[in-house]
Amino acid sequence: DSGVTQTPKHLITATGQRVTLRCSPRSGDLSVYWYQQSLDQGLQFLIQYYNGEERAKGNILERFSAQQFPDLHSELNLSSLELGDSALYFCASSASDTQYFGPGTRLTVL
Amino acid sequence: SQQGEEDPQALSIQEGENATMNCSYKTSINNLQWYRQNSGRGLVHLILIRSNEREKHSGRLRVTLDTSKKSSSLLITASRAADTASYFCATVGPISNFGNEKLTFGTGTRLTIIP
Repeated sequence: DSGVTQTPKHLITATGQRVTLRCSPRSGDLSVYWYQQSLDQGLQFLIQYYNGEERAKGNILERFSAQQFPDLHSELNLSSLELGDSALYFCASSASDTQYFGPGTRLTVL
Repeated sequence: SQQGEEDPQALSIQEGENATMNCSYKTSINNLQWYRQNSGRGLVHLILIRSNEREKHSGRLRVTLDTSKKSSSLLITASRAADTASYFCATVGPISNFGNEKLTFGTGTRLTIIP
């Protein structure tokens, strides 16, 4: 158990819908990262937050947004969902060089 | 985009044998890390090697790093059935991007240990 929690574990929704994925980092970790894992793109970095502020952005679509709250939990919002957004979404947290990953949220868009 | 490639894409060996996986990357790095992923589950951190290190050990794992060739290898000795998983290398860098600690992953090696 990495200490990083993600909810929900599975999410099935329809095209055009909007969903929110939630991540709670390990106690004391200020950095939160979001990654997407899909069959065609592999593991891709989406966005990083550090102590509530956006720190780095990767291949994140404009339809996606994220935030980190004062209690350090983070949410990833995905809107206008398309079939291609079906993937595993991971959150990771870190206090140093090592990132600890949550179990992921499997998103299926039908 | 993927930082690099892992080789081989898939590897099957008998239990007790050693498994070697290779990773190549494209840019300068701060460190390189190896992760394990059991089927469709979260990634588990295995080992981190910094750009100024050449070799590191952790239990049955041995990692080497050759920054001149931009490559790394992961050796798992005395393999067990429980080692069956996908293994990913991930880099942090390039060095000029200090403060950006995102991981850039390779394509992964699917390791199967045959009992």
